[in-house]
Amino acid sequence: IVLTQSPGTLSLSPGERATLSCRASQSVRSNNLAWYQQKPGQTPRLLIYGTSNRATGIPDRFSGSGSGTDFTLTISRLEPEDFAVYYCQQYGGSPLYPFGQGTKLEIK
Amino acid sequence: EVQLLESGGGLAQPGGSLRLSCAASGFTFSSNDMSWVRQAPGKGLEWVSGISGTDGSTSYVDSVKGRFTISRDNSKNTLYLQMSNLRTEDTAIYYCAKKFDNRWPSFDYWGQGALVTVSS
Repeated sequence: IVLTQSPGTLSLSPGERATLSCRASQSVRSNNLAWYQQKPGQTPRLLIYGTSNRATGIPDRFSGSGSGTDFTLTISRLEPEDFAVYYCQQYGGSPLYPFGQGTKLEIK
Repeated sequence: EVQLLESGGGLAQPGGSLRLSCAASGFTFSSNDMSWVRQAPGKGLEWVSGISGTDGSTSYVDSVKGRFTISRDNSKNTLYLQMSNLRTEDTAIYYCAKKFDNRWPSFDYWGQGALVTVSS
């Protein structure tokens, strides 16, 4: 399964709403879709698991949705610390845990 | 507190070998699936290999099959990645990562990473 994220770069201002897309080449089980945030020089952080469940300590401005082949990460109101690269990831097939290529969320 | 601490990175020549280690603490290591995920300079995340906590079964991305071997020593709470016949395209930061839950296969804890540079 190949995961394609769009857009490659998203330029927004603090306070705006961000919508990041992850499209799978085949249908994905909802339990198997996760999102990560990575800031420069830092390790990835699990944001969302099972399509829509926030990981421990993740603010409720982050939400995930979707089914089948189309999944979305939404950040309702951007804070300065949210500008980072975001990756989707799924489980199953070959490779076992493919990642999308990432969406860079930058300050406009 | 969960901690994952990689070691063993460094410079290797093409065709050479390196072994990465990941010392785990703060959770029941033997019960958890573990993986190695790498990130080439300026690039995205790529899952490399994984090993089951229950039966030790392993899996690999195609590009490293036959060259890399993942293993674990549950008595030492340590994960390993033996890398052989290294190629320049293996240059990356290698993270060990703990699988969150079998119901939601994702990675909830990551090590700080070990830099592997393959160059002549």
